[in-house]
Amino acid sequence: GAVVSQHPSRVICKSGTSVKIECRSLDFQATTMFWYRQFPKQSLMLMATSNEGSKATYEQGVEKDKFLINHASLTLSTLTVTSAHPEDSSFYICSAPSSRRGPSSSYNSPLHFGNGTRLTVT
Amino acid sequence: KNEVEQSPQNLTAQEGEFITINCSYSVGISALHWLQQHPGGGIVSLFMLSSGKKKHGRLIATINIQEKHSSLHITASHPRDSAVYICAVRSYNTDKLIFGTGTRLQVFP
Repeated sequence: GAVVSQHPSRVICKSGTSVKIECRSLDFQATTMFWYRQFPKQSLMLMATSNEGSKATYEQGVEKDKFLINHASLTLSTLTVTSAHPEDSSFYICSAPSSRRGPSSSYNSPLHFGNGTRLTVT
Repeated sequence: KNEVEQSPQNLTAQEGEFITINCSYSVGISALHWLQQHPGGGIVSLFMLSSGKKKHGRLIATINIQEKHSSLHITASHPRDSAVYICAVRSYNTDKLIFGTGTRLQVFP
C-alpha cells in the first residue's frame, strides 16, 4: 500500500538552530502534503498545506517565515523549523492523500501519514 | 463546543470485549475518517466513509449522515488494539479536515 516516509523520527536541537523534516511518498505521487502539529493529548492541528510546484498555504496563526515548507517534487515535501525555540517543541506529522489512479488529486482519497517527528528544543 | 466530538475520551476493556467508539459532528461533511494513533505517534488510516458501513477484519465503521454520527466497533478486542482512535471529518465548505480529540483505548489481557 501507499507509504509516507518521514524523517527524522526524533530530533533534539538547541535554541536558535534550524531543523528540517522530510516527508517522502514512496509508491505514489503526492501533489499535496498536509503538515500537522500535535501537542500532548491534543488533536492534530493543521499548520499548512503544500502543493507541488507552488507556494504552501498556511493556516491562520502559523508563521510562514518560521515554518518553511518546500514541495519541489511529487514525492518530497519538507518542513524547516527556523530559529527554533523551546515552545516549538512538539510532534510534527505529515499526511498525503493518495489515489490508486495516479497523482493524488482528490482530497477525499485515503490519507497516508508519516510516522511523525518529535522535536525537542533545548 | 468542538465541531467533532468523540466519546468516550478514555476506554479500558478486557481482551475479547466488543468495543464501540462514537463520533458526532456538527458540520456538513464530504467524508469521515477513522484513524489509529499508536503510542509512538504514528497514525494509520483505518476507514474513510461517506455513507453506510465498512468492515475490515475485526473493525467495523458505520456512519449516519442524517444524524451526523459515526461509530467505530472493534470485535474480539486484543491488547494490540490499544491506541488512540481519532475521528476526523472533511468539511464540505472548507475542504479541510477537522479532528476529534481522540479516544484512548487500553485493552488488558
